Amino acid sequence: GENVEQHPSTLSVQEGDSAVIKCTYSDSASNYFPWYKQELGKRPQLIIDIRSNVGEKKDQRIAVTLNKTAKHFSLHITETQPEDSAVYFCAASVYSSASKIIFGSGTRLSIRP
Amino acid sequence: GAGVSQSPRYKVAKRGQDVALRCDPISGHVSLFWYQQALGQGPEFLTYFQNEAQLDKSGLPSDRFFAERPEGSVSTLKIQRTQQEDSAVYLCASSLTTRDSYNEQFFGPGTRLTVL
Repeated sequence: GENVEQHPSTLSVQEGDSAVIKCTYSDSASNYFPWYKQELGKRPQLIIDIRSNVGEKKDQRIAVTLNKTAKHFSLHITETQPEDSAVYFCAASVYSSASKIIFGSGTRLSIRP
Repeated sequence: GAGVSQSPRYKVAKRGQDVALRCDPISGHVSLFWYQQALGQGPEFLTYFQNEAQLDKSGLPSDRFFAERPEGSVSTLKIQRTQQEDSAVYLCASSLTTRDSYNEQFFGPGTRLTVL
């Protein structure tokens, strides 16, 4: 089955700097890669996603890149702000509403003022 | 409209006790998923329903775990003879299935189960 590896497990950056989180996946059948943000005690919320027919996607300060050949994908947050502090999960799935999501182990991002 | 709701939000059980966790999906959502999130980890898939049919239960860790969705709406996850390793947050998610497209899974707030 699918296995998603995520690193780093913790990340601390100065406010205004960029943060990068990297993930790898194992199953070449996966073709949909969502990213979730989970604040302490709250539910996971989708912040951005990418399909395997696209190499990069951007939404304001957030961007995701995908290297299908290497089975790598990354989340980039620019101009970080205090409200970006949370746990971020990468995930892999098949592009279908009937598909389970396989999550990475999470990155705890802290923004230093 | 209202999002996915779960109850209870917190449950403390003594080892060996049976528990039942409830999920109310978004109205009209066909797909319903259960995930287990251990402390400091990502959610792990447990089981999936399409309407009332349980199409995938490959993630259920043992036969002590049982899920149902008898009328294709509300779902209940039951854990029999709870063990300490069952302590986790149990998340429910629902999505609006349409053919040939992906619909976002919306998560509920979770039920935090603590087994003493």
